[in-house]
Amino acid sequence: AQTVTQSQPEMSVQEAETVTLSCTYDTSESDYYLFWYKQPPSRQMILVIRQEAYKQQNATENRFSVNFQKAAKSFSLKISDSQLGDAAMYFCASNAGGTSYGKLTFGQGTILTVHP
Amino acid sequence: DTGVSQDPRHKITKRGQNVTFRCDPISEHNRLYWYRQTLGQGPEFLTYFQNEAQLEKSRLLSDRFSAERPKGSFSTLEIQRTEQGDSAMYLCASSLSGPHQPQHFGDGTRLSIL
Repeated sequence: AQTVTQSQPEMSVQEAETVTLSCTYDTSESDYYLFWYKQPPSRQMILVIRQEAYKQQNATENRFSVNFQKAAKSFSLKISDSQLGDAAMYFCASNAGGTSYGKLTFGQGTILTVHP
Repeated sequence: DTGVSQDPRHKITKRGQNVTFRCDPISEHNRLYWYRQTLGQGPEFLTYFQNEAQLEKSRLLSDRFSAERPKGSFSTLEIQRTEQGDSAMYLCASSLSGPHQPQHFGDGTRLSIL
């Protein structure tokens, strides 16, 4: 079974500053994928960034980057130059390999507030 | 690409009634997923389909829940004899095959049980 833990229920950041959201996970699979999803209030969930476990290089998408520490089973999200539109609930999720690949296991979420 | 569509957006019903939700995935996506999300929590996996085959069901999916995906296109999720604890947001997502493929989510159906 997989578990995903987000230990920060809420985070806040000033506009244009940098913030890091934490995530740890546990899986017995050797092949898996990790994702960060963003869910703005009353809007649909959208993918922010994804990381393949077998790749050592950290994924980057514009202002979003991850710090993937496989041995520590840690997968944090860094948002640089924060914008008001980044305010949302952020979910870390894992997708196991093997026969159960496909279903996502989500963390509890972190509410990000961006102050102007 | 019109995105994942879910209907209805909101459903209010009395305890004990049956409800059915519909999900239309992105047309070329062969995988379709159902999740349940309660307020302030992350989504929990319920079930998923590859084409018309239901490949996995969570233990959360009691006998009162049933999902179908006839012809591998749209899917329905039915809850029979609804209970207070069924109140939640029901999310549908679709994707191409492959664990690296991102899942695209719909807006969800919010179910409220009176």
